[in-house]
Amino acid sequence: QKEVEQDPGPLSVPEGAIVSLNCTYSNSAFQYFMWYRQYSRKGPELLMYTYSSGNKEDGRFTAQVDKSSKYISLFIRDSQPSDSATYLCAMKAQGGSEKLVFGKGTKLTVNP
Amino acid sequence: NAGVTQTPKFQVLKTGQSMTLQCAQDMNHNSMYWYRQDPGMGLRLIYYSASEGTTDKGEVPNGYNVSRLNKREFSLRLESAAPSQTSVYFCASSRQGMNTGELFFGEGSRLTVL
Repeated sequence: QKEVEQDPGPLSVPEGAIVSLNCTYSNSAFQYFMWYRQYSRKGPELLMYTYSSGNKEDGRFTAQVDKSSKYISLFIRDSQPSDSATYLCAMKAQGGSEKLVFGKGTKLTVNP
Repeated sequence: NAGVTQTPKFQVLKTGQSMTLQCAQDMNHNSMYWYRQDPGMGLRLIYYSASEGTTDKGEVPNGYNVSRLNKREFSLRLESAAPSQTSVYFCASSRQGMNTGELFFGEGSRLTVL
C-alpha cells in the first residue's frame, strides 16, 4: 500500500458546484497536511496547510484532517473555471526538512 | 523576484547521453529538492539537500547524481540517460526548520529520452 492514496480523477463539475477532493494515508507519523495546486505546465504551489486534526478555512477553500481515520479533504465552494487545475495532497512527519510525500493528484475541470 | 529557476525547460536526449539540469533559487533557502513527475505516479523525490554541503537520496535516486554547488544552486545529473527517465523534473526549495510544508517549485524541465 502506498503511503498516500489519492483518486486521480479526472473530475469535471459545472461552475458554482461544491468540489470535494480527498486523500487517505497509512503513516500515523504524519502531522502536517498540505494541498498544492498545479496549473497545466506549471510547478505546484501551496494552497493550504493544516497541522494535526481539524479544519482550516481560507476564502472558498476548506481543508479538513481526520487523523483517526487517516483521511484528509479539500472542499472548494462556488467553484470557478479558474480553479481548473490538478490538486495534490502532501504530508510530512514532525521535524526534519520539508521532505513531503505527495499523492498522485486529482485533475479538476470547472466548466463555465 | 525570480524564485526558483530551472534550465533547460525542454531537452531531448538519446539513450546513453548525459546531461545536467540546473536549478537556482534566490530566496536564501537552506533546503533544495529534485522531484520527477510522471502520469499516474505523482511527484516522487529523487534527491534532496537539507543544507549547503549535504545531499540525501529520496524515493527514486537510481540513475541520478546531484551536486549542491552553493546555497543557491542544486544540479541534477543523468550520467547515461534511459527512456525510463523521460519525465518532467521539478526543482524546489524551502526554509529549513519550517513545518508549514511550503515548497517553492520551479516551472519544470521536460526531458524526453529516445
